[in-house]
Amino acid sequence: DAGVIQSPRHEVTEMGQEVTLRCKPISGHDYLFWYRQTMMRGLELLIYFNNNVPIDDSGMPEDRFSAKMPNASFSTLKIQPSEPRDSAVYFCASSPRVSGANVLTFGAGSRLTVL
Amino acid sequence: SQQGEEDPQALSIQEGENATMNCSYKTSINNLQWYRQNSGRGLVHLILIRSNEREKHSGRLRVTLDTSKKSSSLLITASRAADTASYFCATKIGGSEKLVFGKGTKLTVNP
Repeated sequence: DAGVIQSPRHEVTEMGQEVTLRCKPISGHDYLFWYRQTMMRGLELLIYFNNNVPIDDSGMPEDRFSAKMPNASFSTLKIQPSEPRDSAVYFCASSPRVSGANVLTFGAGSRLTVL
Repeated sequence: SQQGEEDPQALSIQEGENATMNCSYKTSINNLQWYRQNSGRGLVHLILIRSNEREKHSGRLRVTLDTSKKSSSLLITASRAADTASYFCATKIGGSEKLVFGKGTKLTVNP
């Protein structure tokens, strides 16, 4: 298995532009998580899905952020419009359905820089 | 707010020495996990310890859990330069599938 695949690995954009980050989870994993990592705030959970359905989006910072999972093999995190404070590394992770113990497999991350 | 907090924030040791990192958390947990993150990479799962376990081993890793003190420790024995990374504890809260991470301990192992 190729693991969790994220794209792009690096994105540099200007304030106000739309940013779309993509994720392909491991086949057969029921859960998909989007995290954001910054030096100041550490690793923050933005949203997670179960069987393509968003379960908890309480970590999504603002309406500028949206996430979708149209099918079991693809998810997107969109920021529109982007702001400099959105600069961070965004990670996607997936996990199988194991009662009481969800072990996450992370992608390599998408480093976003908003100028 | 963070559920788990690692201590120390940074640790520098010589190759061959043992490294101990601690994690404290705030609320009751089902299990606690430790992850490693090499610079510029994603997190990698190391070990999971359930709330009814007190100690667990995996190779050179030893994890303890004290639910009465709401704390866990990760011991890496006979450290190697390749162990240089950041180490995070993560806790699953209640019935949710949310895994909440601490801010990590940055370990440097000098050759």
